[in-house]
Amino acid sequence: GENVEQHPSTLSVQEGDSAVIKCTYSDSASNYFPWYKQELGKRPQLIIDIRSNVGEKKDQRIAVTLNKTAKHFSLHITETQPEDSAVYFCAPQIYNQGGKLIFGQGTELSVKP
Amino acid sequence: DTGVSQNPRHKITKRGQNVTFRCDPISEHNRLYWYRQTLGQGPEFLTYFQNEAQLEKSRLLSDRFSAERPKGSFSTLEIQRTEQGDSAMYLCASSPGTSRETQYFGPGTRLLVL
Repeated sequence: GENVEQHPSTLSVQEGDSAVIKCTYSDSASNYFPWYKQELGKRPQLIIDIRSNVGEKKDQRIAVTLNKTAKHFSLHITETQPEDSAVYFCAPQIYNQGGKLIFGQGTELSVKP
Repeated sequence: DTGVSQNPRHKITKRGQNVTFRCDPISEHNRLYWYRQTLGQGPEFLTYFQNEAQLEKSRLLSDRFSAERPKGSFSTLEIQRTEQGDSAMYLCASSPGTSRETQYFGPGTRLLVL
């Protein structure tokens, strides 16, 4: 089955700095790559996703890059703000095999004002 | 609110009791997923439905767990003879099930087994 690893497990940055979180996966059949943000006690919320035919996608301060050959994808947050503090999860998916999400262990991001 | 809803939001029960949770997906989403999340971990897949058909079950779903989606709309997850290890957040998610893969999560049901 799919093995997903996320690094780092914790990340502390100063407000305004950039943050990068990397996710590696094992199953080359994965074809959809979302990132979820989860604040304490709340539901996971999709913040950005990318499909296997695209190498990079950007949405304002958030971007995701995908390297299918190396089987990893990364979340990039620029100009971080205190409200970006949360746990971030990658969750690669094999859509035509039911679409279950296999979540990484999470990265706790802390943005210090 | 047209998002995914779950009830109850919190449940405290004694070991050995049965509990049932309900999930109402986004209207016309034909895929519905159940996940379990323990403290400090990412959500773990339990099972999913395509309309009313349960198409996959995780090894995590022991015989004490059963899920249904009788009319292809809402779903229930029942845990029989609860154990302390069942304490977790149970999350439901739905997706359109066509070419759009995005899963939208409900607020979850937090279960505490005493």
